[in-house]
Amino acid sequence: AQSVSQHNHHVILSEAASLELGCNYSYGGTVNLFWYVQYPGQHLQLLLKYFSGDPLVKGIKGFEAEFIKSKFSFNLRKPSVQWSDTAEYFCAVNTPYGGSQGNLIFGKGTKLSVKP
Amino acid sequence: EPEVTQTPSHQVTQMGQEVILRCVPISNHLYFYWYRQILGQKVEFLVSFYNNEISEKSEIFDDQFSVERPDGSNFTLKIRSTKLEDSAMYFCASRRTSGDEQYFGPGTRLTVT
Repeated sequence: AQSVSQHNHHVILSEAASLELGCNYSYGGTVNLFWYVQYPGQHLQLLLKYFSGDPLVKGIKGFEAEFIKSKFSFNLRKPSVQWSDTAEYFCAVNTPYGGSQGNLIFGKGTKLSVKP
Repeated sequence: EPEVTQTPSHQVTQMGQEVILRCVPISNHLYFYWYRQILGQKVEFLVSFYNNEISEKSEIFDDQFSVERPDGSNFTLKIRSTKLEDSAMYFCASRRTSGDEQYFGPGTRLTVT
């Protein structure tokens, strides 16, 4: 069965610091990869996604992620965080083929707190 | 921009009662999903729905749960006899095609007392 691991439960950074949130998945076949963000009191929003092609994916608000197939990883990065990036970040995968209708498997989430 | 909407935002019910959570997916979307997130835990897949039938369901989605698309716009999740452990945030999501991302609603917080 597929699973997603996010190793950092809570990350605290100061503004302008660089961010990297880890995400590893376990599945031997082809996967689609996603990062969702949930701002306080709001719903899940897509930050970026990887389906195929360039493994370095750029998303909204200056975020990017790199798919490293050999490491089963899809880490999220941002060179300089802002206070408004305070949110919970979820990595998720689904499979593009087979009987599964694309249901997402989520990691436990990483809470990011940015100090002004 | 079109959005997935959910009602109510918060539902409080007593154990053993039936609840219906409502979702209005984005209008041209074809795939529909329910997920839940128990406080402090990960978002978990419950069920997917396509072409007016359940495509896939998780182990959580037992006989107490059912889904319906009663008309062209609503997508509902019914819990027949709620248990304390059903307390969670329930998210509806939809997507247009199999190659697209899923769009999530704001969630319904269900509290079972």
